[in-house]
Amino acid sequence: AQTVTQSQPEMSVQEAETVTLSCTYDTSESDYYLFWYKQPPSRQMILVIRQEAYKQQNATENRFSVNFQKAAKSFSLKISDSQLGDAAMYFCASLLIQGAQKLVFGQGTRLTINP
Amino acid sequence: DGGITQSPKYLFRKEGQNVTLSCEQNLNHDAMYWYRQDPGQGLRLIYYSQIVNDFQKGDIAEGYSVSREKKESFPLTVTSAQKNPTAFYLCASSITGGLAGAVEQFFGPGTRLTVL
Repeated sequence: AQTVTQSQPEMSVQEAETVTLSCTYDTSESDYYLFWYKQPPSRQMILVIRQEAYKQQNATENRFSVNFQKAAKSFSLKISDSQLGDAAMYFCASLLIQGAQKLVFGQGTRLTINP
Repeated sequence: DGGITQSPKYLFRKEGQNVTLSCEQNLNHDAMYWYRQDPGQGLRLIYYSQIVNDFQKGDIAEGYSVSREKKESFPLTVTSAQKNPTAFYLCASSITGGLAGAVEQFFGPGTRLTVL
């Protein structure tokens, strides 16, 4: 079974600083994807970044990057130059390529940006 | 504009009543999903459908039912058998097939269901 764990219920960072959100996962499969989703107060789920498990290179999307440690089953999200608009709930999720392609989510981390 | 719509945004139900949440997509996606979100928790999968006229139970299907008569539509019925239905419900869709780049799920804006 897949499980995803986010051990930081809340995080805060000063505007323009860098923050890292943690995520660990567990799966016995070798082919999977990992995602970070953002849920702002509007509650719309927005994809921030994704990582294919077979790729060694860490994914990057502008100010967002991941540190993917496959052996440790760790998938952290780094937000550089934090902006007020980054304030949201952040969810880590995994998806197996084989089968139903169901997303399994962590519990979420609430990120606050201090001006 | 392509996307996923959910209606209504807010829904109130009396105990013992069934209620149906709407989800429509015009992205031509094969797969559709229903998730439930409770405070302090991530999303949990209720039902999913990878093709018209077929659907599968997710992790928390008890007390819910779905249909998939059209590719664009995947309504969710919350029945009176669901003991704690107050929650935020999110619908999503994706292309299936396991093709590289085709796994992203796109989400609708959600429906907040409150049982009075």
